[in-house]
Amino acid sequence: GAGVSQTPSNKVTEKGKYVELRCDPISGHTALYWYRQSLGQGPEFLIYFQGTGAADDSGLPNDRFFAVRPEGSVSTLKIQRTERGDSAVYLCASSFLSGGGVHEQFFGPGTRLTVL
Amino acid sequence: AQTVTQSQPEMSVQEAETVTLSCTYDTSESDYYLFWYKQPPSRQMILVIRQEAYKQQNATENRFSVNFQKAAKSFSLKISDSQLGDAAMYFCAYRSALPGTASKLTFGTGTRLQVTL
Repeated sequence: GAGVSQTPSNKVTEKGKYVELRCDPISGHTALYWYRQSLGQGPEFLIYFQGTGAADDSGLPNDRFFAVRPEGSVSTLKIQRTERGDSAVYLCASSFLSGGGVHEQFFGPGTRLTVL
Repeated sequence: AQTVTQSQPEMSVQEAETVTLSCTYDTSESDYYLFWYKQPPSRQMILVIRQEAYKQQNATENRFSVNFQKAAKSFSLKISDSQLGDAAMYFCAYRSALPGTASKLTFGTGTRLQVTL
């Protein structure tokens, strides 16, 4: 079956612009995660959805970052007034069920965001 | 908060040889999971192996095995019979198993593995 897909693969924008990054999880996966990976670093947690609601958004760096998952499937990460420091690879992952048990997170290929 | 440390930014191994990647972590929890992920240039994170903290037996997956030392909070990855396709970034990751906690992964900074002929 299809894996986690993310669009666009690459996004170049100018400082101050608004961007949306899309994640399409594996069908039937109820949990969805966003991570940010800066150059030379490991991924850092941003937000986690269980169904339509954000169960943990403690990783969002500031109020310029927002994510939604209105129907419990596709998710969009929104960044307002982009800054050069937002440049990174944004990874999305999904799993069948969060919480108890070793429910593997399946990752997408990421979106590389470059803010000029 | 949990932290994961990978002290080897780069490692090199000859094809068919064995290499060990190191990982240490810090946590006050007793129940958790540990993972090794591989990230090739395509950027897609691929799960290599996982370990449940309550299991004493070290996990193995074909050529990949771990040395899990819970008291020392150490979780190293051994790759046997290294192949050119093993060249990638390898990340160690931690996830809490406590009920009611978020299922987020905490990653180390990664080790770049080169495989030479």
